[in-house]
Formats: sequence, C-alpha cells, structure tokens
Amino acid sequence: GQNIDQPTEMTATEGAIVQINCTYQTSGFNGLFWYQQHAGEAPTFLSYNVLDGLEEKGRFSSFLSRSKGYSYLLLKELQMKDSASYLCAVERGFQKLVFGTGTRLLVSP
Amino acid sequence: GAGVSQTPSNKVTEKGKYVELRCDPISGHTALYWYRQSLGQGPEFLIYFQGTGAADDSGLPNDRFFAVRPEGSVSTLKIQRTERGDSAVYLCASSLYAPGTLSGNTIYFGEGSWLTVV
Repeated sequence: GQNIDQPTEMTATEGAIVQINCTYQTSGFNGLFWYQQHAGEAPTFLSYNVLDGLEEKGRFSSFLSRSKGYSYLLLKELQMKDSASYLCAVERGFQKLVFGTGTRLLVSP
Repeated sequence: GAGVSQTPSNKVTEKGKYVELRCDPISGHTALYWYRQSLGQGPEFLIYFQGTGAADDSGLPNDRFFAVRPEGSVSTLKIQRTERGDSAVYLCASSLYAPGTLSGNTIYFGEGSWLTVV
C-alpha cells in the first residue's frame, strides 16, 4: 500500500523561512521528488532525494530520512512568487510517481 | 519541442461521448507518462510508456480508458463513454532516460488538458 501525508495549507511571510513536511509509507521506495505547482499550471521539478541527508539548491533545500519515511522541503527568503502548491512524490518501481495531495503555501507581504 | 505539449488545453464534452487527448513529449525523451489530477489533489498515475509499449498501465481506472504511442513519440489518451467523474486535468509527462538507468531521472510535465464532462 501507499500513504503520503503533507499539511494541506501553510502560511508564511515574505522573507521568512518555511518547512513543508512529508511523511510516507510505501513499498518499493526508490527516491522522493518535490514539485512546485502554481494554480492552473504544470508541476515543475524542484528536487530529488535518494540518499539520506540534505540537498541544497539555491533558496530551496530538501531533506530525506529513509528509515523514518520522512522528507521536508525548506524554502528560504520567501518571495511572493513562492505562493503555490508543493507536491511530495515518492518514486516507486519504474519511475511511477505517487503524489501526496500537496501543500498550498500562501506567502503574505 | 521545448517542453511537453498537450492538446487540447480545454475540452468540454457531453456525458457518453468519446474524447482523445494528445501529448507531444520533449524531443528525444524515451519515457512518457499520463497522470490525472482532480481539484485539490495530487496527480494520480495512469499509464507509462517506454518507447511504443505500455510498460505499466496499472493506473487506468477501467476499460473505458486507453492510450497509445504508435511511433514512440506522440501519445494519445482515449476515453470512451465519458462520465462526469472523468472531469479532471489530464497531465502528460516525459523523461529522457529509460527507467532504472538513472535514479532521479527528472520527469517533466505538460500544462495539461482540462476535461469537463457535462
């Protein structure tokens, strides 16, 4: 079976730091993706973790703990354009991505 | 092309009608995926092609749904006898490498085809 949990909605202030958590229970885990999706647009790739630890890419970082079934996406120096949904997706088998329901992030001035 | 292209971008159809949704993947990408996304939900896997063959169609909800990729490039998702519950955004995605050859092979999504069944 598979179960991926993310908070439904989060709010933060411009310039702040926000952490979006994702927990998963799934068989056949190969890695974990984070995607950003603005309303009415395609999901766009942010990060991929296959090994435990932190992957940093500019203002965005992603962390994975395979033993705990846990990941987070860290967004620094928030900007208004970061208001979007953030999708956690587990890679199972032949790159079949199983998505969570997404976390809607609202950034206010 | 520069990105994954999907047509039509919007489709309104009557219940019971037949619908075709087209996907043109990024040039040179061997793998092609179809996902479906309902409002407020994450994308849900439907089917995956490696070349011309459907490598995994376990996500297709029933036999009204069918997809083809006859020449290993463009793909068409076909929905017969549409129902109101089929209303969703149908996302196509592609990736460069064959599965299993590279972890984290990035999957690129198109803008989607918004299907509304009335």
